[in-house]
Amino acid sequence: DAGVTQSPTHLIKTRGQHVTLRCSPISGHKSVSWYQQVLGQGPQFIFQYYEKEERGRGNFPDRFSARQFPNYSSELNVNALLLGDSALYLCASSLGADTGELFFGEGSRLTVL
Amino acid sequence: QQQVKQSPQSLIVQKGGISIINCAYENTAFDYFPWYQQFPGKGPALLIAIRPDVSEKKEGRFTISFNKSAKQFSLHIMDSQPGDSATYFCAPYYNYGQNFVFGPGTRLSVLP
Repeated sequence: DAGVTQSPTHLIKTRGQHVTLRCSPISGHKSVSWYQQVLGQGPQFIFQYYEKEERGRGNFPDRFSARQFPNYSSELNVNALLLGDSALYLCASSLGADTGELFFGEGSRLTVL
Repeated sequence: QQQVKQSPQSLIVQKGGISIINCAYENTAFDYFPWYQQFPGKGPALLIAIRPDVSEKKEGRFTISFNKSAKQFSLHIMDSQPGDSATYFCAPYYNYGQNFVFGPGTRLSVLP
């Protein structure tokens, strides 16, 4: 069975631009969460979506937004990119909204110049 | 702000030795205590987890010890192998807010 898939794997943007990252969860999983992992640090929670509804939001500015589609895939959008947005963006899926185990993808590496 | 601390920051162990990583948290609402393992270029993967109603859980070479009163839990890796070389994150979770709070990570190197 396919795991969590993310695209693109790597991308380079300049300050002020916009980026869209995509995630397909494991088949049957209805919850998708997004995390930001800066080099050398632990992942930080950005959003959780369950059944197309936002269930949780971390301490990130409004430049960050996300949505979940009827097939449970998800997009993370970041507007007005800053140098500090350079990070690995991880998507994780889980069976339900409150299930303990997260299954992570390999991430999208964003570099902002 | 929720605080999750890990120690040590990095750890070097000889093959066959015991690796011990500690995690301390502040929020008493946490009710699920996992450890995630991350290899370079990969996303984190669940290694082992414990609920607060037990003090210890063992799965193969990996053991979690949980001390509720001290608000700490630890990961013990017995007979450490070079393939265990990775970064380990504790990530306590609580239902309200539906998110995991990851620690800063511990980089483990197991020498052959």
